[in-house]
Amino acid sequence: QVQLHESGPGLVKPSETLSLTCTVSGGSISSYHWSWIRQPPGKGLEWIGYIYYSGSTNYNPSLKSRVTISVDTSKNQFSLKLRSVTAADTAVYYCAKGAGWWFSWGQGTLVTVS
Amino acid sequence: QSALTQPASVCGSPGQPITISCTGTSSDVGAYDYVSWYQQHPGKGPKLMIYDVSNRPSGVSNRFSGSKSGNTASLTISGLQAEDEADYYCNSYTSSNTYVFGTGTKVTVL
Repeated sequence: QVQLHESGPGLVKPSETLSLTCTVSGGSISSYHWSWIRQPPGKGLEWIGYIYYSGSTNYNPSLKSRVTISVDTSKNQFSLKLRSVTAADTAVYYCAKGAGWWFSWGQGTLVTVS
Repeated sequence: QSALTQPASVCGSPGQPITISCTGTSSDVGAYDYVSWYQQHPGKGPKLMIYDVSNRPSGVSNRFSGSKSGNTASLTISGLQAEDEADYYCNSYTSSNTYVFGTGTKVTVL
């Protein structure tokens, strides 16, 4: 079973870009979809988007103008960039395997915008 | 896209069954059999409990079952146990080729 691990800065300034990387171990990133999901403190889950290993992407319409998800198959990693962040983007960010349902998740990383 | 509607809280006594509803529209829950359910304990990440409306991943107790009728999906926990106390979220595919989560339900074991 694959394991996922998010990494990146835990603090981002308003108007700057949030950047996170998810490293996949125990299996290849090829042949699957890979997703980002977030959860503001004390609130519910929000789907951000996914990428197929080939590079095709699909984003939440509410975030689409600010989000880019990319993949690096040579490093078995995929990444999230969220531009022009505000305090409303403060959340635990999870990476997960899959597109429509998610069996394998990272442990999550808290990103605070302040 | 609007979040799917779930009751804020559901409670039950040990051994009793409870059902959590997840109401969407004819553009999401009602249109596709792509509803999944997640359990989340405090401070932990989500765990997949049901996918494609009623399928249970290996390792998930058979006390958990899923169903759907019209625009409403449901998660039933039969024989409620103390460890089932957690937050539960539904998720559905939508006609816009996106995914939307429910508002979340806190399950309390009395």
